[in-house]
Amino acid sequence: QSALTQPRSVSGSPGQSVTISCTGTSSDVGGHNLVTWYQQLPGKAPKFIIYDVGERPSGVPDRFSGSKFGNTAYLTISGLQAEDEADYYCCSYAGRYTSVFGTGTKVTVL
Amino acid sequence: QVQLVQSGSELKKPGASVEVSCKASGYTFTDYAINWVRQAPGQGLEWMGWINPKTGNPTYAQGFRGRFVFSLDTSLTTTYLQISSLKTEDTAVYYCARALAVDGTAENAYWGQGTLVTVSS
Repeated sequence: QSALTQPRSVSGSPGQSVTISCTGTSSDVGGHNLVTWYQQLPGKAPKFIIYDVGERPSGVPDRFSGSKFGNTAYLTISGLQAEDEADYYCCSYAGRYTSVFGTGTKVTVL
Repeated sequence: QVQLVQSGSELKKPGASVEVSCKASGYTFTDYAINWVRQAPGQGLEWMGWINPKTGNPTYAQGFRGRFVFSLDTSLTTTYLQISSLKTEDTAVYYCARALAVDGTAENAYWGQGTLVTVSS
């Protein structure tokens, strides 16, 4: 199972929007509406911020939103804030009770 | 509240074995899957597999079959990761994570703090 493809890095100024892509195949991202996004701050465990493609757990700001088109899922951070600077990982169900993570994207707030 | 507390850091020699524990509390242990995730130094997250807490049945990702074993003790609400024949490339932080469902794999809402396993001669 190959890792999902994410851009290595994206950046934006405070208040701007950034979008991270997560490209897989019809066996994972494209075949199931079970894409999750995690935020990982340096030295910390990942935090669950989007599930089921576009659902937000309670307590996650509505600046974070998720979507999917074909084999690619997207995480959009609107109104970028300094505390959003972190690594972001997508994860998709890949069938037969298995999952696969993306390669990870570093978000830099300029 | 839901908590996953993992055992402490380990330093092992190549060829040895290690066991990482993950103690769950704050929810019904048998209702939610536990997934294991590896993160090598400076690298990304890697899904290792999961264990069904109702049946004890483990599922391993490709690349984690053979030397890696998941188990659990329901009476202690604890899940275990055992790694045998350790290699230097097993050096990583290992996380346990609780899914949203008894058979969930991608959707992990709660995470342990991570356990650093260092393999060095």
